[in-house]
Amino acid sequence: DIVMTQSPDSLAVSLGERATINCKSSQSVLFSSNNENYLAWYQQKPGQPPKLLIYWASTRESGVPDRFSGSGSGTDFTLTISGLQAEDVAVYYCQQYYSTPFTFGPGTKVDIK
Amino acid sequence: EVQLLDSGGGLVQPGGSLRLSCAASGITFSNYAMNWVRQAPGKGLEWVSGISSSGGSTYYTDSVKGRFTISRDNPKNTLYLQMNSLRVEDTAVYYCAKGAGYDIYDVLDIWGQGTMVTVSS
Repeated sequence: DIVMTQSPDSLAVSLGERATINCKSSQSVLFSSNNENYLAWYQQKPGQPPKLLIYWASTRESGVPDRFSGSGSGTDFTLTISGLQAEDVAVYYCQQYYSTPFTFGPGTKVDIK
Repeated sequence: EVQLLDSGGGLVQPGGSLRLSCAASGITFSNYAMNWVRQAPGKGLEWVSGISSSGGSTYYTDSVKGRFTISRDNPKNTLYLQMNSLRVEDTAVYYCAKGAGYDIYDVLDIWGQGTMVTVSS
């Protein structure tokens, strides 16, 4: 199974500042035949289901604000929130869909400082 | 508007069974792979099972193999998860999640609200 790790476990950022979350996979999730990274980012607010933010490591889902961006390739990935807003307080998960069982990172809790 | 309505959760004793359902609307259901993902209280997300758009291919995480069965009824736009031999550690909110394509190897782009399964004596 591919193990996903995230850092930090939690972070507190001032409104308008940048939040950066890292995700690492135990093996590459880059599929050579299409050169795509099978890596997604989700946001989960309390009492709600997860919401897709980013897929193929860097493609923003329709309707997601452009302050959310994803980067990375292979085994190392980053989610950046540029200019944190109050509504961004949530837990963020990375997930690989390269091989089953699909696996999620443990989550990173983002709060306002 | 795409909607996934999860149902069927409840309280069951260890060793018991439950069948979860997920009714889809606003999409051509038969075009998309579907998945079940669970979240134990206060914990992270765990992918449980997936099924291709036709239903011809199914996938499970090891801890539920032989106990859970995923299936779908495309004319009824409904996904199912039959859960047998339930264990205390299966206690979680179960979400159905739509895949973005017909193949299982795709992102989970729409999620249901979830249904709570509690396994306890």
